[in-house]
Amino acid sequence: ETGVTQTPRHLVMGMTNKKSLKCEQHLGHNAMYWYKQSAKKPLELMFVYNFKEQTENNSVPSRFSPECPNSSHLFLHLHTLQPEDSALYLCASSPPGRNSPLHFGNGTRLTVT
Amino acid sequence: GESVGLHLPTLSVQEGDNSIINCAYSNSASDYFIWYKQESGKGPQFIIDIRSNMDKRQGQRVTVLLNKTVKHLSLQIAATQPGDSAVYFCALTGNQFYFGTGTSLTVIP
Repeated sequence: ETGVTQTPRHLVMGMTNKKSLKCEQHLGHNAMYWYKQSAKKPLELMFVYNFKEQTENNSVPSRFSPECPNSSHLFLHLHTLQPEDSALYLCASSPPGRNSPLHFGNGTRLTVT
Repeated sequence: GESVGLHLPTLSVQEGDNSIINCAYSNSASDYFIWYKQESGKGPQFIIDIRSNMDKRQGQRVTVLLNKTVKHLSLQIAATQPGDSAVYFCALTGNQFYFGTGTSLTVIP
């Protein structure tokens, strides 16, 4: 167990669908992140939340909408996605302090048809 | 943006041999470095980290070496086992974490 749980593990959706990805961390961390992992590319930071406040939006298209109701839960709402949005979406959390490692979940494999 | 590169996209080693995976970076202000292991179907798993005031750190069967002069980071795995087969990538701090693309390690039994 990683301490960071993501659901669903796999998701197939059409371009007109609306779906949500869920992340829950059991590590008592205060920061949570969404990353996109595409083949042959480095991890791309999407959003950062510190103590439920969004502190980073890395020029992500508005078809991705994050929500952080508390320090343990993070959502990524998806609507009107494109096929190029197909990727592995990873949630991570970290404790306070700049030099602390990220703890990742096992990701949601998203396929947009 | 920050440049983080892995020297080899793939690496094959014989079981029992030592593995060395390398990472080059461009930001001289980076002060914290991490190695992650990612197995198929799983998220990245923390292996070992090192701060810029150190040049070597050892864990269980793993050693991380940091050469700040040439901006080079390496991960050494001793007595490589089949369970070590995975993608390994480095991460370092800047305005955010920056990640390499990863080296896929295959262990030959």
